[in-house]
Amino acid sequence: KQEVTQIPAALSVPEGENLVLNCSFTDSAIYNLQWFRQDPGKGLTSLLLIQSSQREQTSGRLNASLDKSSGRSTLYIAASQPGDSATYLCAVIKAAGNKLTFGGGTRVLVKP
Amino acid sequence: NAGVMQNPRHLVRRRGQEARLRCSPMKGHSHVYWYRQLPEEGLKFMVYLQKENIIDESGMPKERFSAEFPKEGPSILRIQQVVRGDSAAYFCASITTLSGEKLFFGSGTQLSVL
Repeated sequence: KQEVTQIPAALSVPEGENLVLNCSFTDSAIYNLQWFRQDPGKGLTSLLLIQSSQREQTSGRLNASLDKSSGRSTLYIAASQPGDSATYLCAVIKAAGNKLTFGGGTRVLVKP
Repeated sequence: NAGVMQNPRHLVRRRGQEARLRCSPMKGHSHVYWYRQLPEEGLKFMVYLQKENIIDESGMPKERFSAEFPKEGPSILRIQQVVRGDSAAYFCASITTLSGEKLFFGSGTQLSVL
């Protein structure tokens, strides 16, 4: 059974610092890994999707890496801003047509 | 292209009543997931549906919960005889395989059971 863990559960940084969010999964046989952002009381917004054959994906200040063999992914957010404050969730999917298994999320607070 | 639409946004029910949550996927998407998020917890998979077909319901409680995705109209998650423990945010997501299994989530329905 796939288990996804995100550490730390919460993170507080001053504005301008780079953020590093970690995600680990127990079964390396994945189809893809996705990072989402969730604002309080809102739904999830997809940030980045990394296919199993890829090592990283980038979008603006966001960069996500994937090391499938060690069961880890890292989301980097450069030069954090207060607007980056949210909960960030990673999720893996075993195969096309399967369900996503989510981690518990990392709650980020960027202080001005 | 409208996103995934869920309604109602908030739903209040008394214990023993029925709750019906609706989800309209993005245009052109024929697969829908339902997830539940309890306070301070992560998202838990409930059910995965294709039009007129349940693909995976391994996350659905065995009693009181049912889901459907008819040929026409939205997907419905139905909870009969609600209890306080059913209070949670219920999220729907739709998917197209054309984007490599990328999920698009709705804003959720917050169910409160009094």
